[in-house]
Amino acid sequence: DADVTQTPRNRITKTGKRIMLECSQTKGHDRMYWYRQDPGLGLRLIYYSFDVKDINKGEISDGYSVSRQAQAKFSLSLESAIPNQTALYFCATSPGTMHSSYNEQFFGPGTRLTVL
Amino acid sequence: GQQLNQSPQSMFIQEGEDVSMNCTSSSIFNTWLWYKQDPGEGPVLLIALYKAGELTSNGRLTAQFGITRKDSFLNISASIPSDVGIYFCAGQFRGAQKLVFGQGTRLTINP
Repeated sequence: DADVTQTPRNRITKTGKRIMLECSQTKGHDRMYWYRQDPGLGLRLIYYSFDVKDINKGEISDGYSVSRQAQAKFSLSLESAIPNQTALYFCATSPGTMHSSYNEQFFGPGTRLTVL
Repeated sequence: GQQLNQSPQSMFIQEGEDVSMNCTSSSIFNTWLWYKQDPGEGPVLLIALYKAGELTSNGRLTAQFGITRKDSFLNISASIPSDVGIYFCAGQFRGAQKLVFGQGTRLTINP
């Protein structure tokens, strides 16, 4: 079974709709991240969470919100989707600083989102 | 924000050839990571480097943490078709809690 799962894998929606992308992990990691991938731009950090009560903005958080429902669950919401939010979205996890490998991130399979 | 420059952006090689790619930064990094992304999948961690000068291998892959702490290299020897994909470097610079990713190197292999 996959350690980091994302649902849905693909989603087509319309401008103005609210969308939620979900991420679950069985790795027992404290830290979770949401990234966006666009062609030629690599991975850009949207939000990250170092534990259940911790939420931090990344470099491109405008238009997005997140919820850390539990250690294993971290969801990303687009409150009112717009076409330039069409992209691949990845969730990732990493251990906490108690581990020497705390910044090794493990990625889910991604969600391809299309906003028409 | 902090930037990583990854080169080349793309490579077209023949099966069996060796491959080299690198990442550079203007800042000192504490960690360098190399990932591979297959089409339709998330990035998979290949090699992690934690010390300046460190040289680590994973099968046919070898990566090095540059002595200046501002660069890293990934080499693939004797390429095979399954090496096709996008390779990303990522680094954590001193004092940061997050990773910064390079733009990726797209590797294409002609049989």
